[in-house]
Amino acid sequence: ETVLTQSPGTLSLSPGERATLSCRTSQSVRSNYLAWYQQKPGQAPRLIMHGASSRATGIPDRFSGSGSGTDFTLTISRLEPEDFGVYYCQHYGGSPLFTFGPGTKVDIK
Amino acid sequence: EVQLVESGGGVVKPGGSLRLSCAASGLPFSDYPMHWVRQVPGKGLEWVSLISGDGGSTGYADSVKGRFTISRDNSKNSLFLQMQSLRTEDSALYYCAKGRTYYYDSSFDSWGQGTLVTVST
Repeated sequence: ETVLTQSPGTLSLSPGERATLSCRTSQSVRSNYLAWYQQKPGQAPRLIMHGASSRATGIPDRFSGSGSGTDFTLTISRLEPEDFGVYYCQHYGGSPLFTFGPGTKVDIK
Repeated sequence: EVQLVESGGGVVKPGGSLRLSCAASGLPFSDYPMHWVRQVPGKGLEWVSLISGDGGSTGYADSVKGRFTISRDNSKNSLFLQMQSLRTEDSALYYCAKGRTYYYDSSFDSWGQGTLVTVST
């Protein structure tokens, strides 16, 4: 069973700063089947990144994804006020079929 | 624009049943796998179930296997989740979500706003 670990648990940053979020999987992820979601309070999650490094439709280029194997990173180059929220990584196509990480909260410092 | 609207949530006693629905619009519904994902308020996301575009293949999390049944009616652009033998730990906000591609093993690119299920005496 693939387990996802995200760090840090909380990231306190100011607008304009760079955010680096980590996601580690307990087993190697085939074909980089790793996605990132953003969730704001009271809202449904929104797909940010799929295939580890492909931005979803409408996602600005300040968001970038990288990594392979068991270590993945979501980077927000310059935080905008609307970027604050909780970010979840997800492994898909593994065992179990779909697994989410516990989330990283990005809040305003 | 894809729209997914869930309904059917409510309060039910342990051991009871509930049927959730998700009405989809703005997409060729039968082309995509669909999912149910749940979230205890304030907690993380848990994938619950998946159904292929033609309805011929399904999958379940171990936590709900044998108790929940996913189905779809492509003629009505609708997704369902029949939940039986409900437990207190099934209490959560249930989202329906659309697979990003035709393949079942893809991320989820559209989500509804969720319907709340509370299992309590």
